[in-house]
Amino acid sequence: SYELTQPPSVSVSPGQTARITCSGDALPKQYAYWYQQKPGQAPVLVIYKDSERPSGIPERFSGSSSGTTVTLTISGVQAEDEADYYCQSADSSGSYQVFGSGTKVTVL
Amino acid sequence: QITLKESGPTLVKPTQTLTLTCTFSGFSLSTSGVGVGWIRQPPGKALEWLALIYWDDDKRYSPSLKSRLTITKDTSKNQVVLTMTNMDPVDTATYYCAHRRNAMVNFDYWGQGTLVTVSS
Repeated sequence: SYELTQPPSVSVSPGQTARITCSGDALPKQYAYWYQQKPGQAPVLVIYKDSERPSGIPERFSGSSSGTTVTLTISGVQAEDEADYYCQSADSSGSYQVFGSGTKVTVL
Repeated sequence: QITLKESGPTLVKPTQTLTLTCTFSGFSLSTSGVGVGWIRQPPGKALEWLALIYWDDDKRYSPSLKSRLTITKDTSKNQVVLTMTNMDPVDTATYYCAHRRNAMVNFDYWGQGTLVTVSS
């Protein structure tokens, strides 16, 4: 079945830029979404439709897409951004949804 | 204001059937484009999408779990029900329901989740 591949972890110093990639064969055809999840909490949508930011999400969160890879960028990382981040999309026909394996962002 | 809340048993025995209810407010599941999905997360592990029901009663399931899952909706009660048969300890997880706004905005609101433990 279809899979989305993310790096297990990313470490970044405060104020620097964190980039999290997500790869999948169907990403050129299907929108990607990014969710932030802090311990003990439900996930929060931070990017939809590849690069759109929901209201209330800080501008430092941005998304981009290139071929079979989408990227979540956190510019000027803050301590509060330490969390797990999941990409999500659908298979090429849109029949089912898939989550990536998640990336733990550690703020040094 | 959109809210969702999951309810159901916290403990089920192996081989039993799990029934979870998502009760929501702030939107109608009869509005074009809207859907409600179920997602689970075993302790310390990643999110796993399970099922999604759309406003037009179209239903989609995880290929790996399709034979065990059934999703239904009761628009008048603002509820979505997920049943999972033949429960196993590996199904121990926090189960979330989430709102899908339309084809371009997925899972923008989530319930708090409910932990289901499978044990004899």
